[in-house]
Amino acid sequence: AQTVTQSQPEMSVQEAETVTLSCTYDTSESNYYLFWYKQPPSRQMILVIRQEAYKQQNATENRFSVNFQKAAKSFSLKISDSQLGDTAMYFCAFLEIMNYGGATNKLIFGTGTLLAVQP
Amino acid sequence: EPEVTQTPSHQVTQMGQEVILRCVPISNHLYFYWYRQILGQKVEFLVSFYNNEISEKSEIFDDQFSVERPDGSNFTLKIRSTKLEDSAMYFCASRREGDYNSPLHFGNGTRLTVT
Repeated sequence: AQTVTQSQPEMSVQEAETVTLSCTYDTSESNYYLFWYKQPPSRQMILVIRQEAYKQQNATENRFSVNFQKAAKSFSLKISDSQLGDTAMYFCAFLEIMNYGGATNKLIFGTGTLLAVQP
Repeated sequence: EPEVTQTPSHQVTQMGQEVILRCVPISNHLYFYWYRQILGQKVEFLVSFYNNEISEKSEIFDDQFSVERPDGSNFTLKIRSTKLEDSAMYFCASRREGDYNSPLHFGNGTRLTVT
């Protein structure tokens, strides 16, 4: 069974600094998707960034980028120029792609990292 | 931008009572999901629904749970006889058909408190 591990329960960063959140996963599959979701105090789940496993190039979305190391099964999130609005719980998630080209229906989430951006 | 809408935002019920959590997925989406997040814990998959039937469910989704799409817009989660451990945040999500790379669009959640 696939598992997702986030080893940092809480992190803190100064405004305008850079922070990296760690995520590792375990799977025997070669094709899958990885996601980072943000959950601010409002509790809404917001997609931050996604990565297809077959793509070697790391995904980037403005101030957010990932370091995807497939062999190491690592998928870290880097937030540059941190802003107060980045304060939230961040969840790493895994989605398996089946052999017929479809995906399983369920996202597997990690336990989350609570990020606090300090002014 | 279209959103997934969930009502109510907070539901308080007594143990043993039935509750129905409501969701309006994005209109052109055809896959629907319920996830649960017990306070302080990770988000867990409950069930997925497509073409008017359950396509996958977790071990959490036992006989006390059911889902329904009673009309063309609503997607509901029913808990027949609530237990204290059902207290959690329940998230509805949806995605487009055939686009496996498309992310799940989550609603804002319903906080269920069982007393």
